[in-house]
Amino acid sequence: QQPVQSPQAVILREGEDAVINCSSSKALYSVHWYRQKHGEAPVFLMILLKGGEQKGHEKISASFNEKKQQSSLYLTASQLSYSGTYFCGGAGSYQLTFGKGTKLSVIP
Amino acid sequence: EAQVTQNPRYLITVTGKKLTVTCSQNMNHEYMSWYRQDPGLGLRQIYYSMNVEVTDKGDVPEGYKVSRKEKRNFPLILESPSPNQTSLYFCASSLDRGARVTEAFFGQGTRLTVV
Repeated sequence: QQPVQSPQAVILREGEDAVINCSSSKALYSVHWYRQKHGEAPVFLMILLKGGEQKGHEKISASFNEKKQQSSLYLTASQLSYSGTYFCGGAGSYQLTFGKGTKLSVIP
Repeated sequence: EAQVTQNPRYLITVTGKKLTVTCSQNMNHEYMSWYRQDPGLGLRQIYYSMNVEVTDKGDVPEGYKVSRKEKRNFPLILESPSPNQTSLYFCASSLDRGARVTEAFFGQGTRLTVV
């Protein structure tokens, strides 16, 4: 079952902040975050492991609440280059399953 | 350069004509998988493989086959394509099983149109 992401879409002005949420109905080993530009492959941003360890991007942060199986991606002081579709992925025993995505548009 | 390579990038075919999309990775990854991406539906997993000769169904396996005879290659086979398989396909690989602790690397995608 796919993780559920919210919001589906968001429009920001440069410099504004955004939060994207991801929720899973099943227990996850880790949560991934990827960004996809139109017509391109998804690009890895961050992975959050059980126990709190994070690996990934310097300018983007995220959290993972293991009890609630919820993760949030925090985009601060957004730049035009942040535009794209963001996917969260839930890693279980054998599968990496993605949400439907959140389309982020940053305008000048 | 570490990469996942898919071929072809674009393909237009007719209903019922068998086709294969190839995927190859040069990172010695054990885990490989195939996804399809459709507007509004995100990335949905078709099949995955934990190692050579070990494959299993993902969430949308109907109409697809895979094989894993070598560690580096994981082809996707559509034996009798139908228009509802028109989609953008991605191959991905990761070092560990199910990408539990390491990132997934994606190929550049194959845009398939079945008419």
